[in-house]
Amino acid sequence: SQTIHQWPATLVQPVGSPLSLECTVEGTSNPNLYWYRQAAGRGLQLLFYSVGIGQISSEVPQNLSASRPQDRQFILSSKKLLLSDSGFYLCAWRPDRGETNYGYTFGSGTRLTVV
Amino acid sequence: DAKTTQPPSMDCAEGRAANLPCNHSTISGNEYVYWYRQIHSQGPQYIIHGLKNNETNEMASLIITEDRKSSTLILPHATLRDTAVYYCIVRVAFGYSTLTFGKGTMLLVSP
Repeated sequence: SQTIHQWPATLVQPVGSPLSLECTVEGTSNPNLYWYRQAAGRGLQLLFYSVGIGQISSEVPQNLSASRPQDRQFILSSKKLLLSDSGFYLCAWRPDRGETNYGYTFGSGTRLTVV
Repeated sequence: DAKTTQPPSMDCAEGRAANLPCNHSTISGNEYVYWYRQIHSQGPQYIIHGLKNNETNEMASLIITEDRKSSTLILPHATLRDTAVYYCIVRVAFGYSTLTFGKGTMLLVSP
């Protein structure tokens, strides 16, 4: 069966420090991968998605970047965190079947607090 | 993708059916209706989806009107663990369109 792993679960980082959040998927190949962010009291915002190794699409210009160095690995990074980067970060995947008639599966999330 | 409208909050007594409405009057013929829910501090969870026929699975039932302009998610016997934000999302069936979440409906199930 397929599983998605996301870590760490919580993170407290000072302003100006770098960030690296990792997400991996097991039990499938060539998944579509997604990074979402949910700021406190707000809805889920799509940040990045990837349909293949090295391919990244950005939905919102910001202080963050994403990379997909391996088929089932998706990394969210920042060189210098801002206070506004605080939030709940979620990784998600779905099978690459061409059609979108498959649900997304989300990880358990990383709660990032920038202080 | 078509826009959806949901009530911001609803209450339901434990053991009763919870009926969550969603309006999607601008839905096009190739767009599916998806429902997800997000329990506090967890990632969203897929519930069910449908095109035009009613659908049922172990979690819920989805009733789509004949003109497809609205739908209702039914939790037949709500429990306290069903307290969550429920999102109704409309998106195309093919291609690489992404999942866009609105504000959803906060369902509170009370004893």
